[in-house]
Amino acid sequence: QKEVEQNSGPLSVPEGAIASLNCTYSDRVSQSFFWYRQYSGKSPELIMSIYSNGDKEDGRFTAQLNKASQYVSLLIRDSQPSDSATYLCAVNTNAGKSTFGDGTTLTVKP
Amino acid sequence: GAVVSQHPSWVICKSGTSVKIECRSLDFQATTMFWYRQFPKQSLMLMATSNEGSKATYEQGVEKDKFLINHASLTLSTLTVTSAHPEDSSFYICSAREQQDYEQYFGPGTRLTVT
Repeated sequence: QKEVEQNSGPLSVPEGAIASLNCTYSDRVSQSFFWYRQYSGKSPELIMSIYSNGDKEDGRFTAQLNKASQYVSLLIRDSQPSDSATYLCAVNTNAGKSTFGDGTTLTVKP
Repeated sequence: GAVVSQHPSWVICKSGTSVKIECRSLDFQATTMFWYRQFPKQSLMLMATSNEGSKATYEQGVEKDKFLINHASLTLSTLTVTSAHPEDSSFYICSAREQQDYEQYFGPGTRLTVT
C-alpha cells in the first residue's frame, strides 16, 4: 500500500462544475496536509494547507480533512479550463517526513 | 507565499561533464531542502532530503556519489550531477521548507539535457 494514494484520473468535468479530488494516507500520526497544483512542464505550486479536521475554504478551493478516516480532499467550485492540471496531495508526519501522492490529472472542458 | 529560485532554468551539457544546480529560498530560512526529479508524464521522484549543515539523506536507488548535494546555508542548496549521461536528462526540481510541519515551496525547476 502506498503511503499516500490518489486516483490517477484523468478526471474530466465541464466548465462551471465542481471537481472533487481525493487522497488517502496510511500513517495515522500525520499532522499536516497539503494540496499542490502542477501544470504540464512546470513545478508544483501550493494551493492549500490544512492541519485540523473539517473544512478550509480559500476562494473557489475547499480542503476537507478527516483524520479518523485518514482522508483529505480538495473541492474546486466553478471549475475553469485554467484549473486543468495535475493535483498533488502531500502529507507530513511528526518526524518531518513529507510524502507526495502520484497526483490526479484534472481536465476542465469548456 | 514564499519564493524559491533555481538556477539555471535549463542547461545542456555533454556526456561526462558535471552540472551544478542552485536552489535558493529568497524570503525565508529553509531548515530543510528537497531535491526531486521528474521524467515526462511521470510523478515527482524524491531524490534526497538535506538539512542545513548536515549530510543529505538519499532515497533508495539514488547514487550519492553521482548526485552531490550541499546545503551550506539556510538559504542555499546545490545539486551537482557528476559525470552526466543522457539518461540523467530530466526535470530537476528543488523545494524548501521552513519547519517540519510546514508546507514545501518549490523552485521553478531546471531542465537538464545531456547530449
